[in-house]
Amino acid sequence: AQSVSQHNHHVILSEAASLELGCNYSYGGTVNLFWYVQYPGQHLQLLLKYFSGDPLVKGIKGFEAEFIKSKFSFNLRKPSVQWSDTAEYFCAVNIPSGGSYIPTFGRGTSLIVHP
Amino acid sequence: NAGVTQTPKFRVLKTGQSMTLLCAQDMNHEYMYWYRQDPGMGLRLIHYSVGEGTTAKGEVPDGYNVSRLKKQNFLLGLESAAPSQTSVYFCASSPSGLAGRTDTQYFGPGTRLTVL
Repeated sequence: AQSVSQHNHHVILSEAASLELGCNYSYGGTVNLFWYVQYPGQHLQLLLKYFSGDPLVKGIKGFEAEFIKSKFSFNLRKPSVQWSDTAEYFCAVNIPSGGSYIPTFGRGTSLIVHP
Repeated sequence: NAGVTQTPKFRVLKTGQSMTLLCAQDMNHEYMYWYRQDPGMGLRLIHYSVGEGTTAKGEVPDGYNVSRLKKQNFLLGLESAAPSQTSVYFCASSPSGLAGRTDTQYFGPGTRLTVL
């Protein structure tokens, strides 16, 4: 079965520290990759996505992610985190299934940023 | 433009009771989804729909049924609730550009369900 793996389940950082969250997927075909963020008490929203072109994708709030096809990875980065980045982060891949493209999510990474 | 809305926001059931969760979207999206979110398990797809009148099973469909009689609504039913169905349920929708390959999902605010 196709899967999405997020290596870090819980990350605790101090403000201004750099962030990198890992995401690997197992599907071998053309992929479309997403990072979603869920702030405390809120619903999920899109952070950034990749579907073609430049493998370095920039999203909202200073986040970026790099698609490395040879490593089946789509890691999320931010050079300097803020307290407001405290949230849960989900990596997702749209995988073909029965003529449609169905999202598959990783288990999520909980990020806590201390002021 | 309300986006994706879910009702109710909270619900407590006793084992064996039934209920229906309602999801509505006003973006004319083709695809709709129901997920459950449990600690350490991320989001798991229960059922989804690629258009009015069509539904399909996701990763964890057992104990749930769905219906998509109108394009804007996607109902999730629990016929006989069990404690294992205690969870937060999220509905999402997406357009179907490029057959869904590049679609972004838009999520509702969630329903917190407790089954005693």
